[in-house]
Amino acid sequence: GENVEQHPSTLSVQEGDSAVIKCTYSDSASNYFPWYKQELGKRPQLIIDIRSNVGEKKDQRIAVTLNKTAKHFSLHITETQPEDSAVYFCAAYTSGTYKYIFGTGTRLKVLA
Amino acid sequence: NAGVTQTPKFQVLKTGQSMTLQCAQDMNHEYMSWYRQDPGMGLRLIHYSVGAGITDQGEVPNGYNVSRSTTEDFPLRLLSAAPSQTSVYFCASSSDRGQGGYTFGSGTRLTVV
Repeated sequence: GENVEQHPSTLSVQEGDSAVIKCTYSDSASNYFPWYKQELGKRPQLIIDIRSNVGEKKDQRIAVTLNKTAKHFSLHITETQPEDSAVYFCAAYTSGTYKYIFGTGTRLKVLA
Repeated sequence: NAGVTQTPKFQVLKTGQSMTLQCAQDMNHEYMSWYRQDPGMGLRLIHYSVGAGITDQGEVPNGYNVSRSTTEDFPLRLLSAAPSQTSVYFCASSSDRGQGGYTFGSGTRLTVV
């Protein structure tokens, strides 16, 4: 079946450095790619998303890039801060099947 | 707007018992879904619905039933609880048939003993 692979599973960076999380999806028909942030004990929250007709999207310190040919998409966080520490999930959605599949998550630690 | 409301927040069941996890949203979202979250396994799709009267299976549907009689409500039924169903369950809804991004409920922490 469809799956989404996410790497790395854990990532530690110094405050102020950049962090990059990568995902690969299997369904070439996937057309919507959101990212979620989940703080400890809380629900996941949407932080940024990209559609298949766009290659890159930015929102302040976060950006997402999409390579449809390689079926890769990545989350970039610049100037990381301690409050960025959380688990980040990528997901791939396919409008033809209405299925929304998540990656296994990346635990990001920003060290002060 | 309350968003997505899940009840209960915590539940302990004995093996073999049945129960229903409630989920309601007040955003008029057509798309609703249920996920379970286990350590190291991310969020796995149990069932989803693209509108009232329509449901479909996700990645891990066995042992669970759903129905969607109204746009607002999407309950998840555990038929005969097993220890393997110990998990945190999230309900989520989205506009634009899924492409509006999810709004998640606060989750139900279920323990089956």
